[in-house]
Amino acid sequence: GAVVSQHPSWVICKSGTSVKIECRSLDFQATTMFWYRQFPKQSLMLMATSNEGSKATYEQGVEKDKFLINHASLTLSTLTVTSAHPEDSSFYICSAEVGYGYTFGSGTRLTVV
Amino acid sequence: DAKTTQPNSMESNEEEPVHLPCNHSTISGTDYIHWYRQLPSQGPEYVIHGLTSNVNNRMASLAIAEDRKSSTLILHRATLRDAAVYYCIHSNAGNMLTFGGGTRLMVKP
Repeated sequence: GAVVSQHPSWVICKSGTSVKIECRSLDFQATTMFWYRQFPKQSLMLMATSNEGSKATYEQGVEKDKFLINHASLTLSTLTVTSAHPEDSSFYICSAEVGYGYTFGSGTRLTVV
Repeated sequence: DAKTTQPNSMESNEEEPVHLPCNHSTISGTDYIHWYRQLPSQGPEYVIHGLTSNVNNRMASLAIAEDRKSSTLILHRATLRDAAVYYCIHSNAGNMLTFGGGTRLMVKP
């Protein structure tokens, strides 16, 4: 089936630095990708919708200047957490629509210290 | 908001069938019913989806009520590897998925 490859699987960074998370669609083209965030013992919350070649659409309450999304090609979308703080520590997951539904990346556990 | 209601948790014995219920009374006529599951520290995994008719695949079966306001995911023989959080979602084609709380399934050996 269609696979979305997400990297890194985990990252630890210092407060104030930026972290980039990549999602690649391996055997299909994704004009749209979705970025979710999940805090411990909570459900997935949609952060933004990434559109190839155009600006991302952010959900209410998500700072677009803090969570930079780039979708420059049909197979790659990136999420950059800028000036990360401990409260940004979370599990970040990307997703793309495929014929039977949606396929998800394996997630990135971000820890900001 | 595409809201579904699921029990917070369920328990099953290994090798026995499991029926996971979901209420989606606000579903529209064109919404599909999706089920995904999430193992610890992993992204969600597609399980099954349907529109009106019951569906079967190698992972599970999906039974959809005639009025489409509820559905049941059926795992025919639960294994330890089926322990996960199961999410029931209804969504129109092309729209993003809105996740609710899901059901945490625990499988006892």
